[in-house]
Amino acid sequence: GAVVSQHPSWVICKSGTSVKIECRSLDFQATTMFWYRQFPKQSLMLMATSNEGSKATYEQGVEKDKFLINHASLTLSTLTVTSAHPEDSSFYICSAAGGGRAYEQYFGPGTRLTVT
Amino acid sequence: GQQVMQIPQYQHVQEGEDFTTYCNSSTTLSNIQWYKQRPGGHPVFLIQLVKSGEVKKQKRLTFQFGEAKKNSSLHITATQTTDVGTYFCAGDGSGNTGKLIFGQGTTLQVKP
Repeated sequence: GAVVSQHPSWVICKSGTSVKIECRSLDFQATTMFWYRQFPKQSLMLMATSNEGSKATYEQGVEKDKFLINHASLTLSTLTVTSAHPEDSSFYICSAAGGGRAYEQYFGPGTRLTVT
Repeated sequence: GQQVMQIPQYQHVQEGEDFTTYCNSSTTLSNIQWYKQRPGGHPVFLIQLVKSGEVKKQKRLTFQFGEAKKNSSLHITATQTTDVGTYFCAGDGSGNTGKLIFGQGTTLQVKP
């Protein structure tokens, strides 16, 4: 149980375009979803926290107008990288809480974004 | 802001040797969690520590939470090749809200 999926698993886009990444909790209702960014061989950096039906809370230094987060249901959150630039290339990982132990986050497999 | 530091960054051991990674927070934590990320994979939850001085064991893995709830350690006894991966500690300093600040991770390589 407690499976989280992400789509797409990888995407290549041109500079200036927007990319949407989906995060789904497949077998539980996620009260909270988190979006992280991970650079190669580095740690996970929390970007934002989203609760279903409310605006996401962004971490300091994360541009909310560039990284749009929508959490329309208890099983789906989306992250849209708008007007992507090469420096946005990274591994984006979502996690969801609510699948069992309240404190445990279940991570998706991640999305590799490359902006050319 | 809150910072979580983790050392060492890398560790190479011979199979059968022990391994320890240390985690230190700049602020008192409500709880600390440990995750393992295999190469090319995503983080997988290992354990959560909540109480001051808490010690938990999972087979060959021993997790400790410091008395001041600002540091933690993960010790692996007699490493195996299946232990390879990056181990992250993640601190929740915001009152069990689930918002985690991850350490830099320790990448473990095990030579057979």
